[in-house]
Amino acid sequence: GQQVMQIPQYQHVQEGEDFTTYCNSSTTLSNIQWYKQRPGGHPVFLIQLVKSGEVKKQKRLTFQFGEAKKNSSLHITATQTTDVGTYFCAGPGGSSNTGKLIFGQGTTLQVKP
Amino acid sequence: DAGVTQSPTHLIKTRGQQVTLRCSPKSGHDTVSWYQQALGQGPQFIFQYYEEEERQRGNFPDRFSGHQFPNYSSELNVNALLLGDSALYLCASSPRVATLGAQYFGPGTRLTVL
Repeated sequence: GQQVMQIPQYQHVQEGEDFTTYCNSSTTLSNIQWYKQRPGGHPVFLIQLVKSGEVKKQKRLTFQFGEAKKNSSLHITATQTTDVGTYFCAGPGGSSNTGKLIFGQGTTLQVKP
Repeated sequence: DAGVTQSPTHLIKTRGQQVTLRCSPKSGHDTVSWYQQALGQGPQFIFQYYEEEERQRGNFPDRFSGHQFPNYSSELNVNALLLGDSALYLCASSPRVATLGAQYFGPGTRLTVL
C-alpha cells in the first residue's frame, strides 16, 4: 500500500543550529502537508504544497516539494526552543480526493538551550 | 470561534469492553475524519464522515464504527477492545469543499485498555 516515510526519526540540536527533515512517498502526490505536534499536544497544520518544485517560507521554516512530487523537506534555520516537537508530513491517500491523509512516522526535534 | 472539541480527554477501559468517543467539528466544517495515533507513530486514518455517511475507510476492522449527526458532530465506537487499541484518538475536521486542504485536529482522547 501507499507509504510515506520520514527521516530522521529523531534529531537533537543545539539552539541556533539548523534542522532538516525529509519526507518520501511511495507514490506521486497531488499535494503534501506538514503538521507540527508539540509534546502532549495534537497535530497542527503548518502548510500545504501543491506545485512541483514549490518552495514556501514561513519565517525561519522553509518547505520544499520535489520536482517529481514524491518527496518533500522542511528546513528550520537557527532553531529555537519553541521549535521542539514532532514534525509530520502527510499526503492524500488513495486515488479519490476525499481528504484521507497518509502520515509519515514523524521527526522528533529536541533543542538544547 | 471554537475549534475542534473532543470528549472525554482520557478514558480507561478493560479488554472486551466497548467505548464511544465524541467530536464536534470546527464551526463551518461539515466533514469529520478519525485517526488513531499510537505512541511514537504518525496518525493512522480510520474513516471519514460527511453528509452523515462513512465515505472512506482505512485499514481498521469492523470493531471500529462511527456515526455523524445532522449538526456534523461525530462519534467513534470501538467494540471488543483489545490491548492494542490503546492510543490517542484524534478527530479532524475540514469543510467538504476543501477536503484537499488543511485538516484541523482536536486535542484527542487518550484511550488506555487494561
